[in-house]
Amino acid sequence: DTGVSQNPRHKITKRGQNVTFRCDPISEHNRLYWYRQTLGQGPEFLTYFQNEAQLEKSRLLSDRFSAERPKGSFSTLEIQRTEQGDSAMYLCASSFAQETQYFGPGTRLLVL
Amino acid sequence: AQSVTQPDIHITVSEGASLELRCNYSYGATPYLFWYVQSPGQGLQLLLKYFSGDTLVQGIKGFEAEFKRSQSSFNLRKPSVHWSDAAEYFCAVAASGGSYIPTFGRGTSLIVHP
Repeated sequence: DTGVSQNPRHKITKRGQNVTFRCDPISEHNRLYWYRQTLGQGPEFLTYFQNEAQLEKSRLLSDRFSAERPKGSFSTLEIQRTEQGDSAMYLCASSFAQETQYFGPGTRLLVL
Repeated sequence: AQSVTQPDIHITVSEGASLELRCNYSYGATPYLFWYVQSPGQGLQLLLKYFSGDTLVQGIKGFEAEFKRSQSSFNLRKPSVHWSDAAEYFCAVAASGGSYIPTFGRGTSLIVHP
């Protein structure tokens, strides 16, 4: 299957710990997006990359959130000093330029 | 900035009945419009999209949507619902000519009774 993959699928952590999520996009896609989805809400855009360049990061929720895409392929989203309010589903999507975004299954984070 | 309203949090229909999910958007120019479906444990899947042209858009799984500029709406329809259509449905809008980042509504949960 050559769809978008995300790892881990589930993560439980204690408040104050750092967590990192990985996204592997569809191989020929040059754009990669991160979203957060809380219960009962639609996905909320966080940031996106075109190749290795991060073109929009003003919507990251705080300076505890950061993302990288070092070689223009996979990406990581890190949350430092997690808080209970960070509990959510983190979604990754990829696209070729401005065409349709394809979403991964998400990483569900629970902060205790 | 653009926004989306999905006024129905839950919709319940019987299998075989017709379906209409409502979506209203706010955007100053002609938007890009999307409907996605999310099943439990699955990623969001694009059902259909409108960029320009014919205002009645056909999608996958027998869904269609109609763009009505005068009503700022993009309602999703299906003539006969199957039990497998039970899922969460999200309408989204993106600025035309922009970075193509969609803003999603809060979703409508579809429940299908046998």
